[in-house]
Amino acid sequence: QSVLTQPPSVSGAPGQRVTIACTGSSSDIGAGYDVHWYQLLPGAAPKLLIYGNSNRPSGVPDRFSASTSGTSASLAITGLQAEDEADYYCQSYDSSLFWVFGGGTKLTVL
Amino acid sequence: QVQLVESGGGVVQPGGSLRLSCAASGFTFSGSAMHWVRQAPGKGLEWLADISYDGGRQYYADSVKGRFTISRDNSKNTLYLQMNGLRIEDTAVYYCARKSLSGWEEFDYWGQGTLVIVSS
Repeated sequence: QSVLTQPPSVSGAPGQRVTIACTGSSSDIGAGYDVHWYQLLPGAAPKLLIYGNSNRPSGVPDRFSASTSGTSASLAITGLQAEDEADYYCQSYDSSLFWVFGGGTKLTVL
Repeated sequence: QVQLVESGGGVVQPGGSLRLSCAASGFTFSGSAMHWVRQAPGKGLEWLADISYDGGRQYYADSVKGRFTISRDNSKNTLYLQMNGLRIEDTAVYYCARKSLSGWEEFDYWGQGTLVIVSS
């Protein structure tokens, strides 16, 4: 049971926009701790996608964006491409549990 | 370029021990805090432990506290995870990750992971 809640799966056709929600509580996201997002491709090292709620590391396409509000965060992917098919995880911090992750969301590109 | 390479995984019986290593290159290892994270089969990511840049402070998840020990050797640019009292539920891919220097505390680089299987 992950501390942060994500939908198990989302899907979209190439070119479409999808969003992935990440719901926390007053102990983590709601306490003002930052949210980060990671992309996991099979057999590859996890990749940082978004840091500090809405910042993209160098090299991450601007098709990826994120926001945080209250006890929740959201990752949006526009112009969906086949290569975006992966698992996506949100992460934040909890004052008691330290670093916490969402359960992960599998993105399927139809 | 930043590289993190884990090793030391394998098959071990319940109650056994393993030591994982994470060889770092491409950055000043002694200046970065480091983490261990795992992913059990079919499950999500789980943070396990972190260690300060100088090894002076460590924090652990409740699930591994008292059984796992994180350490580092800055002279060898290597991070370790000593795992004792292994349980079936410790079966997972284990990743090391670097804490970013950006100030946001994200994990900016990860290794590809090493698989640990706990089975009788």
